Amino acid sequence: GQNIDQPTEMTATEGAIVQINCTYQTSGFNGLFWYQQHAGEAPTFLSYNVLDGLEEKGRFSSFLSRSKGYSYLLLKELQMKDSASYLCAVSDSNYQLIWGAGTKLIIKP
Amino acid sequence: DGGITQSPKYLFRKEGQNVTLSCEQNLNHDAMYWYRQDPGQGLRLIYYSQIVNDFQKGDIAEGYSVSREKKESFPLTVTSAQKNPTVFYLCASSPAPGTGSDTQYFGPGTRLTVL
Repeated sequence: GQNIDQPTEMTATEGAIVQINCTYQTSGFNGLFWYQQHAGEAPTFLSYNVLDGLEEKGRFSSFLSRSKGYSYLLLKELQMKDSASYLCAVSDSNYQLIWGAGTKLIIKP
Repeated sequence: DGGITQSPKYLFRKEGQNVTLSCEQNLNHDAMYWYRQDPGQGLRLIYYSQIVNDFQKGDIAEGYSVSREKKESFPLTVTSAQKNPTVFYLCASSPAPGTGSDTQYFGPGTRLTVL
């Protein structure tokens, strides 16, 4: 079957760096997405990786290793507004998104 | 302003009633999707449509129906709603699925409570 694994919850300190991991097993691969979802709101798109390596976008970076079925989202200089759930999703062979359950990130002052 | 709208934000219905959730986009996207999000679970696909007048079942289509008569609109009907905790329904659209431009963008969602 298809499976996306990510930690349920993480805690970090304001100003610090946090890495959220995602491992996947899917039938085919057409890219990996990260979304941010604040409590009670809809997900918003953060990043897309289809080739191996690191994509940097301001304070957020996303890494992909297709051979290992692994990705991470790196958040630097954490701010209180980064408290949210972070969703990992993989586009499978039919270009359908398979979603992880999300990682709830708690930022402490 | 370009975007995806869903209405209403909160919806209450009695058990056994049908209820239709609206989703409209003015982004000129080809594909539209309906997801259900339950606490502690990933998004689950209900239905999707890649072109007008065509749609496919997702993983949990039973108890739901859709139509795609216009490119901009993809309403979801919950048939004979069952009493359960409030469910968050999310509509999304993407430009051109299968071409690499398939990032999905979400509407604000509708929370349905069946009494």
